[in-house]
Amino acid sequence: EIVLTQSPGTLSLSPGERATLSCRASQSVSKNYLAWYQQKPGQAPRLLIYGASNRATGIPDRFSGSGSGTEFSLTISRLEPEDFVVYYCQQYGHSPHTFGQGTKVESK
Amino acid sequence: QGHLVQSGAEVKKPGASVRVSCKASGYTFSSYGISWVRQAPGQGLEYMGWISALNGNTNYAQKLQGRVTMTTDTSTSTAYMDLRSLRSDDTAVYYCARESSGYYYGRYDYWGQGTLVTVSS
Repeated sequence: EIVLTQSPGTLSLSPGERATLSCRASQSVSKNYLAWYQQKPGQAPRLLIYGASNRATGIPDRFSGSGSGTEFSLTISRLEPEDFVVYYCQQYGHSPHTFGQGTKVESK
Repeated sequence: QGHLVQSGAEVKKPGASVRVSCKASGYTFSSYGISWVRQAPGQGLEYMGWISALNGNTNYAQKLQGRVTMTTDTSTSTAYMDLRSLRSDDTAVYYCARESSGYYYGRYDYWGQGTLVTVSS
């Protein structure tokens, strides 16, 4: 199974700053089938990015994804107050689908 | 716009079974898959398995093989997840999510609201 390692575990930033979250895969992800999800407390995850770099419907353009193979990243260009939550990467190109352990973005 | 509504919270004793339902609306249910993901308190997301509403194919996480069964009822656009021989470490919020291809290799674009299953004696 593909292991996804997210870093850092916690990112401390201020509103308006740029956030860069990393997701490293233990082997190359087929067809770059890598997604990012945002999860707010008490809510279900929400799809942000799929196919490594495609924004899902209704996602603001301050969210962008990049990368290929084994190295992927999620960038939030200017943090808004509602962005200080947890983010997960997931690969869906191999069986079983796997998730990273999550990165929490907290307000400094 | 797809929408998934799950059944309500459950409290079960160790060794019992639980069924969680996931009713879909707003899209053609039989053209996609449904994945199940759980989240233990304060923990991350764990893939449990997937079923295609297109052809009934399934894929289960190895650690749950033999304890989990996923089914669909296309007449009511509802997916079901049955988990048997419950243990305390099965306590979690269980989510269903639409898998966007129907053939396993799709993103999870719509999610249910989650169902809390508590296993306690």
